Amino acid sequence: EAQVTQNPRYLITVTGKKLTVTCSQNMNHEYMSWYRQDPGLGLRQIYYSMNVEVTDKGDVPEGYKVSRKEKRNFPLILESPSPNQTSLYFCASSLAANTEAFFGQGTRLTVV
Amino acid sequence: AQKITQTQPGMFVQEKEAVTLDCTYDTSDPSYGLFWYKQPSSGEMIFLIYQGSYDQQNATEGRYSLNFQKARKSANLVISASQLGDSAMYFCAMRVIQGAQKLVFGQGTRLTINP
Repeated sequence: EAQVTQNPRYLITVTGKKLTVTCSQNMNHEYMSWYRQDPGLGLRQIYYSMNVEVTDKGDVPEGYKVSRKEKRNFPLILESPSPNQTSLYFCASSLAANTEAFFGQGTRLTVV
Repeated sequence: AQKITQTQPGMFVQEKEAVTLDCTYDTSDPSYGLFWYKQPSSGEMIFLIYQGSYDQQNATEGRYSLNFQKARKSANLVISASQLGDSAMYFCAMRVIQGAQKLVFGQGTRLTINP
């Protein structure tokens, strides 16, 4: 089954404790992105990747890191999480710019 | 820069009626794609329909159709014969074909279908 898998689905952590949210896709897509969703703001892009070892900042990259060592994986790293990073996070992948993005199930992160 | 505007924060519709969700966009790029996604209360993002800027005909997918008016920069989603399961948040999004691979989303419209 074609899918984008994120883990974990839910995470509560404390300020400053490094964490990683994993994302994996099995569709051989080149394009992958991370978004955060906050009430009233829709979804905003954090980082994106157009291919292995090629990543770039989106609209709200501060406080986040990513890597793309393999085509299928695109982890999101929060080196020192803060409460303003409490949000719903989505990983997405797409084959091309004019095709739909497939989204993971979402990761609800709470930083206390 | 690209921008998506959804002016209806919430809509209430009777079951079996048709509903139109508004979306206007702004971009100076001639080549772009427009997407609609559904987000039910469970949280996942479900792709509904896609319209390319050069597509001559309006896109349709089952009960979903996209009313694309390029000159007015609008891309309204039409849901025919609404069902209770259509109750969800709906997002309009745009991606330009060249450059940064970013989906720009609107703020969403919460649709509630009443029995």
